[in-house]
Amino acid sequence: DGGITQSPKYLFRKEGQNVTLSCEQNLNHDAMYWYRQDPGQGLRLIYYSQIVNDFQKGDIAEGYSVSREKKESFPLTVTSAQKNPTAFYLCASSIGAGWGTEAFFGQGTRLTVV
Amino acid sequence: AQRVTQPEKLLSVFKGAPVELKCNYSYSGSPELFWYVQYSRQRLQLLLRHISRESIKGFTADLNKGETSFHLKKPFAQEEDSAMYYCALSGEDSNYQLIWGAGTKLIIKP
Repeated sequence: DGGITQSPKYLFRKEGQNVTLSCEQNLNHDAMYWYRQDPGQGLRLIYYSQIVNDFQKGDIAEGYSVSREKKESFPLTVTSAQKNPTAFYLCASSIGAGWGTEAFFGQGTRLTVV
Repeated sequence: AQRVTQPEKLLSVFKGAPVELKCNYSYSGSPELFWYVQYSRQRLQLLLRHISRESIKGFTADLNKGETSFHLKKPFAQEEDSAMYYCALSGEDSNYQLIWGAGTKLIIKP
């Protein structure tokens, strides 16, 4: 079954702890993205990667880190430096970054800091 | 500045009535415009894009460069159209990253 898998679906973290959100795709897509979705604000880009071993900061990268060691995996770490980490996080992938490319999304991870 | 504006956070219409979800954009070049939809408990997915000029699930959207708009329309709403709708644009100026509107929640009343 092809697609993007995010895990876990729900995640609770204590303040001051780092936490890593998983994103795996088997679509053979080069580009992968992490978005944060907050009510009334649409999707905001955290990080994106257009190729293995390379990634770029998005609009709200502060307090987050990523890695892209494998084509199919793009984990996001929410660090203790992120001031307001409670949110819904969406991972997406596309064939590449270019005209007309469609983004495919995972089911999302809801992170709550307690 | 590149921006997508969806002026309505919530739109509620009766089944069978026409629907129009508004989307306005600000972009210096020639963008590609998209509508994505998120049904309850489902993933965000592409509904349609302006270059395709096709109708999906009865929805159409025309790019109006003069008014910088890409409104989504359907002549007769159905209950299964209830969802969250996002307008987005992409282009060379944004390094082909999607720029998103805040979304409109569409509720179709029976």
